[in-house]
Order: sequence, then C-alpha cells, then structure tokens
Amino acid sequence: EAQVTQNPRYLITVTGKKLTVTCSQNMNHEYMSWYRQDPGLGLRQIYYSMNVEVTDKGDVPEGYKVSRKEKRNFPLILESPSPNQTSLYFCASRPTGDHREQFFGPGTRLTVL
Amino acid sequence: AQKVTQAQTEISVVEKEDVTLDCVYETRDTTYYLFWYKQPPSGELVFLIRRNSFDEQNEISGRYSWNFQKSTSSFNFTITASQVVDSAVYFCALSEASYGQNFVFGPGTRLSVLP
Repeated sequence: EAQVTQNPRYLITVTGKKLTVTCSQNMNHEYMSWYRQDPGLGLRQIYYSMNVEVTDKGDVPEGYKVSRKEKRNFPLILESPSPNQTSLYFCASRPTGDHREQFFGPGTRLTVL
Repeated sequence: AQKVTQAQTEISVVEKEDVTLDCVYETRDTTYYLFWYKQPPSGELVFLIRRNSFDEQNEISGRYSWNFQKSTSSFNFTITASQVVDSAVYFCALSEASYGQNFVFGPGTRLSVLP
C-alpha cells in the first residue's frame, strides 16, 4: 500500500530534550516536506526537500532541522524543543514537477512541557 | 507573497442543506495550483481536488463542486445536500510554479453538519 508513515504518533517530552520524528514514504517520491498545524493558522511549512541531500526552509524553520540522506526518509529533528513547538506535525511527499497533490502522513502530536 | 484566506472559521448547517466554503488567494505568479483538502475528526488529510491556473472550468464530483474564478482570485467549494460525514475541517491551499516549492495553506473552515 502506498503510504507515508510517521513515528511516533504521539509524544510528550520536556523542554530541551532532543527528539526526532521519523517520516518514510514508499512511493519513490522526490519531494518531501514537513508541516505544523496550529489552531487558526492552518498548516505551515517547516522544511521541504526536492531530492536526496537537497533541503530548503519553509515558512517556519526556526528550531527545527531536517536531513535527506535517503529518498524514502525525511526525519524532523528538534535539537532543543520548547513549549511553543507543541503542535500537530505532518510529513508529506509527492512526485517532483507539475505541482501535483501531496500525500500526507497520519500526523504526530507533540507536547513539550 | 502568496497567501490563502478562508474567512469562514466555522460553519454549521443542518443535514441536506447546501453549503459553500470560500477561499480567496493572492499570488504573484501567472502559473499556480489550487487545492482543497479535508481533515475529518480522525485527523488525516484527504486530498479532494487540484486545479491549475489555466483551467477555469468548474468541476463537479458527486455532491462536491468547485468554482474557480481568476477575476476574483477565488476557488470556492460547495457541498450539495450535506451529510453528517461531511463534518470536517476543510483547507484550501496554493502552490506557485515559479517561486520555489512552498505550499501555502489557508487557516481552514470547520464545517459541522447536524443531523
């Protein structure tokens, strides 16, 4: 089944404790991206990647890192999480070109205390 | 800069009523793409439609229809004879062809369909 998977689905952590949210897709898509969803703000793009070893900032990259060492994986790293990073996070992928629709993962609900 | 506005924060209708969700966008580009996604209470994001800026034909899919008007920069979504299962948050989104690969979402409209 074609899908985007994220782990963990739920995470409660404390301020300053480094964490990684994994994202993997099995559709051989070049393009992958991360979003955070907050009430009243919709989804805002954090980082995106056009292909392996190519990443770029979205609209709200502060406090986040990403890497793209393999085509299928695009982990989101929070080196020192803070309470304002409490949010619902989505990973997405799509083929490059023609601005086709994105396929979204199930979401990761992160709480930073 | 690209921007998507969904002025209706929340809408409530009674089952079988028709409802229209508004979407207004801003873009510098002549080539762009508009999308609608549905987020049901379970939380996943479901793709509904994609439209490019050169295709102003309205689209109908079952009870769903979309009205794209470049003159007013709007891409509105109508649900005919709404059902309880239509209750969800609906997002309109914009992607520009020329300016990177940003994908900008509106704030969403929460639709509640009451039995």
